[in-house]
Amino acid sequence: EIVLTQSPGTLSLSPGERATLSCRASGGGKSRYLAWYQQKPGQAPRLLIYGASTRATGIPDRFSGSGSGTDFTLTINGLEPEDSAVYYCHLSNDNPSWAFGQGTRVEIK
Amino acid sequence: QVQLQESGPGLVKPSQTLSLTCSVSGGSISRDGYYWTWIRQHPERGLEWIGYIHYRGSAYYNPSLRSRAAISVDTSKNQFSLNLISVTAADTAMYYCARYGDGLGWFDPWGQGTLVTVSS
Repeated sequence: EIVLTQSPGTLSLSPGERATLSCRASGGGKSRYLAWYQQKPGQAPRLLIYGASTRATGIPDRFSGSGSGTDFTLTINGLEPEDSAVYYCHLSNDNPSWAFGQGTRVEIK
Repeated sequence: QVQLQESGPGLVKPSQTLSLTCSVSGGSISRDGYYWTWIRQHPERGLEWIGYIHYRGSAYYNPSLRSRAAISVDTSKNQFSLNLISVTAADTAMYYCARYGDGLGWFDPWGQGTLVTVSS
């Protein structure tokens, strides 16, 4: 069984700063795909990044993803007020089996 | 573009069966390369995948829900459905349907979600 651990739990940053979110995988089979989602209150999650580093259509280039294997990172450069949200990572492996991380809340001061 | 819409009762009594349907519009559910998925989110908590199905009928479930969940697909109606038996208050959650792109590893699009409360 895959377990995804996101850190930190909450980030409180000012506009213009950089946010670095971590997602670490353990257990399960060979990791296949890592994606990141943004969820704002009262909304469904929105796809940001897939394949660990490919931005989804319409996602600003201040969002970037990196990593492979068991360690992945979502970076948001030049934070804007509308980036206030909870960010989730999701991993699929070759079992097939899936897992979501528990989320990182990004607060804009 | 493809859109998904959940429907079903917002209130279910304990021990009964939760039944939801996801209607797919703007594209056919009968396409290879995609899985049709149910995901839930407990109040103020994270996301939990329930299971997913291919239009040909093969389905996979979260081990924690496998004994209670069943997902089916109706290609003639371009819909897929979730049945969750023997529900308790712990099944109170927002339920989302989403399309999963195999070979791409993403959920997109998502339905808007439907809140299901388990209460007598």
